Amino acid sequence: NAGVMQNPRHLVRRRGQEARLRCSPMKGHSHVYWYRQLPEEGLKFMVYLQKENIIDESGMPKERFSAEFPKEGPSILRIQQVVRGDSAAYFCASSSVAGEETQYFGPGTRLLVL
Amino acid sequence: AQSVTQLGSHVSVSEGALVLLRCNYSSSVPPYLFWYVQYPNQGLQLLLKYTSAATLVKGINGFEAEFKKSETSFHLTKPSAHMSDAAEYFCAVSSSGGSYIPTFGRGTSLIVHP
Repeated sequence: NAGVMQNPRHLVRRRGQEARLRCSPMKGHSHVYWYRQLPEEGLKFMVYLQKENIIDESGMPKERFSAEFPKEGPSILRIQQVVRGDSAAYFCASSSVAGEETQYFGPGTRLLVL
Repeated sequence: AQSVTQLGSHVSVSEGALVLLRCNYSSSVPPYLFWYVQYPNQGLQLLLKYTSAATLVKGINGFEAEFKKSETSFHLTKPSAHMSDAAEYFCAVSSSGGSYIPTFGRGTSLIVHP
């Protein structure tokens, strides 16, 4: 049973470019969560999605950031017009049906903005 | 509202010595509590979790943690440290009152000396 998969593992972008991060949840999981980890800090919640629905985006910056989890395919975290402050590790986690309190994490995408 | 405090950003022990990583939480409802481990350039791996069953929770790799409601603590221990335990450890709290989105502590880096 494959775990949570994220790609790319490393992404380098220049300021102003777009970054697209992908997350495939564990088989049978329909809940996806995105987190950002800055150096020397813990994980900060960004957004919680179910298939075709954004459930909670209270941790998402109001501008330039968006997320989706389509009916088919992986969840996408999109960052438009990246700035150096967006450099971080972005982790995706998934869980099974509502009520499952354990989240399983992917290996992360490390974004570097030059 | 919920929060987590991990005392000590770095803990250094000798191989074979006791490991104690501290975590205190606050939660307005009965909490779920977690410890995750993160090895360099990897995602978070669940070590153990407390979900209102036994207060002493045993996890993987010889780690265990005890939920103490009176002290609002969930400290992580291991009787004898191994070099391979060197990693970043995160405590997290969530609750059954919503979408189970955990709040993470800032992490404690465990250093193991030979």
